[in-house]
Amino acid sequence: AQKITQTQPGMFVQEKEAVTLDCTYDTSDPSYGLFWYKQPSSGEMIFLIYQGSYDQQNATEGRYSLNFQKARKSANLVISASQLGDSAMYFCAMREGISSGSARQLTFGSGTQLTVLP
Amino acid sequence: DTAVSQTPKYLVTQMGNDKSIKCEQNLGHDTMYWYKQDSKKFLKIMFSYNNKELIINETVPNRFSPKSPDKAHLNLHINSLELGDSAVYFCASSQAVLTPDTQYFGPGTRLTVL
Repeated sequence: AQKITQTQPGMFVQEKEAVTLDCTYDTSDPSYGLFWYKQPSSGEMIFLIYQGSYDQQNATEGRYSLNFQKARKSANLVISASQLGDSAMYFCAMREGISSGSARQLTFGSGTQLTVLP
Repeated sequence: DTAVSQTPKYLVTQMGNDKSIKCEQNLGHDTMYWYKQDSKKFLKIMFSYNNKELIINETVPNRFSPKSPDKAHLNLHINSLELGDSAVYFCASSQAVLTPDTQYFGPGTRLTVL
């Protein structure tokens, strides 16, 4: 079963508008973390934002915010005031056992290709 | 001030050859990873080392062998390359005891097997 699901293979948004990229996850571990990464056409993977399962507030980092709905197991990324440079592939990822202190891998979703239109 | 670096960035080789990809991190992290990104952009863990010890070893052909000479380096050696090995290989590092133990990625190595 898919642990991370990103149902939007592609999204378009007008410059300066906000956009929401969907991510749902599946885990029975009560201690997990959700990460979003950006992969521009140049190929590198850039960490954007993190949300822990025990965090009381939704994470925010500049123009990025996470709409974390634990009961629905969703962690949608909201990008406000889109810029042309936001055009990229966006990946949602989960790390289970976040408080264990031992390394675990990230499980990635299939990604959403975002295109910002001028 | 590169955090996670990989060499080479591009690697084009013939089927059957043996090749290596090198990774170095200067973040002082204790854990390093290799991920494979296929042609559909799907990313999957291959290996992870913590303080030079192999801790994650996913179902990967044994033609792939990671080596960690020290905790700042994790190399990937691939024997008898096959067409299906063509992909982008990413190295990443993190500090396992931190919460979150955010993984920082290298620029990737695009491997093309002809």
